[in-house]
Amino acid sequence: AQSVTQPDIHITVSEGASLELRCNYSYGATPYLFWYVQSPGQGLQLLLKYFSGDTLVQGIKGFEAEFKRSQSSFNLRKPSVHWSDAAEYFCAVGDSGYSTLTFGKGTMLLVSP
Amino acid sequence: DAGVTQSPTHLIKTRGQQVTLRCSPKSGHDTVSWYQQALGQGPQFIFQYYEEEERQRGNFPDRFSGHQFPNYSSELNVNALLLGDSALYLCASSFQGAQGYTFGSGTRLTVV
Repeated sequence: AQSVTQPDIHITVSEGASLELRCNYSYGATPYLFWYVQSPGQGLQLLLKYFSGDTLVQGIKGFEAEFKRSQSSFNLRKPSVHWSDAAEYFCAVGDSGYSTLTFGKGTMLLVSP
Repeated sequence: DAGVTQSPTHLIKTRGQQVTLRCSPKSGHDTVSWYQQALGQGPQFIFQYYEEEERQRGNFPDRFSGHQFPNYSSELNVNALLLGDSALYLCASSFQGAQGYTFGSGTRLTVV
């Protein structure tokens, strides 16, 4: 069965500093990988996705993620964090069939002034 | 272009009652999936509907059932509510189940 681990429950980053959120997955075949962001009381917004090809994926809001098959990782990065980035971030893996998603437990990002 | 619309936004029910949640998919989408997100957890897949039939189901009891209508909208029904059913219920739509779901803002269900 597929699974996703997000090792960090909370991360605090200073505004303007760089950010890296970790995600490790378990999946038997080539995974479909996603990062979503959720603001309090809101639904999920897709930041970026990886299906195949270039392992460095660019997303919205200046985010990027790198797929590393050898490490079963798909870490999310941003070079300079803004206060509006404070939210909860979810990594997810999808199957190659009808696209059900398995999510990690999320990482809460706090941005300090 | 409207995205995924869910109703109601909030709901309070008593243990043992039944509840129906509704979802209208994004225009052009024909596949609807439902997820349950308990407090402090990631969303968990409940089931997926395509062409008015349940195509896949996650590890949820039969108390959870659904329906998809000819216009692709969907309902999630939960019978015999338990306190543990309190959660944010998210609807997500896509075209033919292709990757890249659009999520709604969810229905917050509280069971007391």
